[in-house]
Amino acid sequence: QKEVEQNSGPLSVPEGAIASLNCTYSDRGSQSFFWYRQYSGKSPELIMFIYSNGDKEDGRFTAQLNKASQYVSLLIRDSQPSDSATYLCAVGPYGQNFVFGPGTRLSVLP
Amino acid sequence: GAVVSQHPSWVICKSGTSVKIECRSLDFQATTMFWYRQFPKQSLMLMATSNEGSKATYEQGVEKDKFLINHASLTLSTLTVTSAHPEDSSFYICSARATTGVIPEAFFGQGTRLTVV
Repeated sequence: QKEVEQNSGPLSVPEGAIASLNCTYSDRGSQSFFWYRQYSGKSPELIMFIYSNGDKEDGRFTAQLNKASQYVSLLIRDSQPSDSATYLCAVGPYGQNFVFGPGTRLSVLP
Repeated sequence: GAVVSQHPSWVICKSGTSVKIECRSLDFQATTMFWYRQFPKQSLMLMATSNEGSKATYEQGVEKDKFLINHASLTLSTLTVTSAHPEDSSFYICSARATTGVIPEAFFGQGTRLTVV
């Protein structure tokens, strides 16, 4: 069974700090890794994807992938209150589908 | 990125009635769409995979006779919740995969908040 695990949080960080969100997965054959942000009552929206070991940066966001450790993380620099949301890690594809983690709630305190 | 439109965004219905939710891919063709359900403070739970022109594949524990899925075209999938009950109240989200670059991405509809009274 393919599993994706995340700390449910809430993770609280002060405004301007770095938020670090972590995700582990069970299937070594996984190829693609995605981070989605979901505001309360809204659908998930894609932030980033990564498929090679190492770091990938996009603005204030950095995704880090370590396939040997089966670990993917998302760093948010200069966190803002508007970053407060649930962050979902998704791994796949498996057939046509992805497996989503349970999500980590992030709270950025002003 | 690709756009997936879901309608309605919210609906209130009486117990025992049926509700249809539409999911459309607006600027790409989606041979496969996915239907998720999300209860408050919980993650997405895949209900079924909808394949154009064929029967949907349901996840274990999801009643196929209660949650009817039709994927009649490459841009439209519908989910009908039949004989809805209060425990069916949830946030229903559809998604479709599109390859906008090298990696396929999952794009989500806006979601439908269903309340059964």
